[in-house]
Amino acid sequence: DVKVTQSSRYLVKRTGEKVFLECVQDMDHENMFWYRQDPGLGLRLIYFSYDVKMKEKGDIPEGYSVSREKKERFSLILESASTNQTSMYLCASSPIQEMSEAFFGQGTRLTVV
Amino acid sequence: GNSVTQMEGPVTLSEEAFLTINCTYTATGYPSLFWYVQYPGEGLQLLLKATKADDKGSNKGFEATYRKETTSFHLEKGSVQVSDSAVYFCALSSNAGGTSYGKLTFGQGTILTVHP
Repeated sequence: DVKVTQSSRYLVKRTGEKVFLECVQDMDHENMFWYRQDPGLGLRLIYFSYDVKMKEKGDIPEGYSVSREKKERFSLILESASTNQTSMYLCASSPIQEMSEAFFGQGTRLTVV
Repeated sequence: GNSVTQMEGPVTLSEEAFLTINCTYTATGYPSLFWYVQYPGEGLQLLLKATKADDKGSNKGFEATYRKETTSFHLEKGSVQVSDSAVYFCALSSNAGGTSYGKLTFGQGTILTVHP
């Protein structure tokens, strides 16, 4: 069974902390993504990566950075967490073929207090 | 840029009722269209997709037809079940002007609750 695994289901962090969200996929996919899910706004793309060490900004990259040192792992970093980053974060991966299905992790519910 | 608009929710239905969730899009080029579903406590999973005009995607009794003339991809099911209660997302991927890299543009999501 194909899998995208996010390291935490729930996280509570303090304002100003540096936060790491980890994502691992076992499907040898080239593309990986971080989305943020908020009620009424759907999912919005934060960053994506199409190859190891390659990264591109999505629609809402401010306050975030990413790292992809290995093909299977894609990390989202909140450099200095703020309360407006309280949200559900979803990692996804997809193969290199255009218009392919994306596979999603279960999500990390992050609360910044 | 690309955008997806879904009908306002939430939607509440009785079991065996007919379901329609409207979805319209704006995109350059010829996008592929998707419906994803998110069951409680889970990530998103693909429900169905269509990659060109007039294609019909179908899965688990759900259907959607890619209508280029009306830029729509409405989701329908003839008889819903309690187990269909979930959040439904319409999405598109477009490679106009280059590679899409699989990026998806999502609608805001529609919460469906089905009562016995």
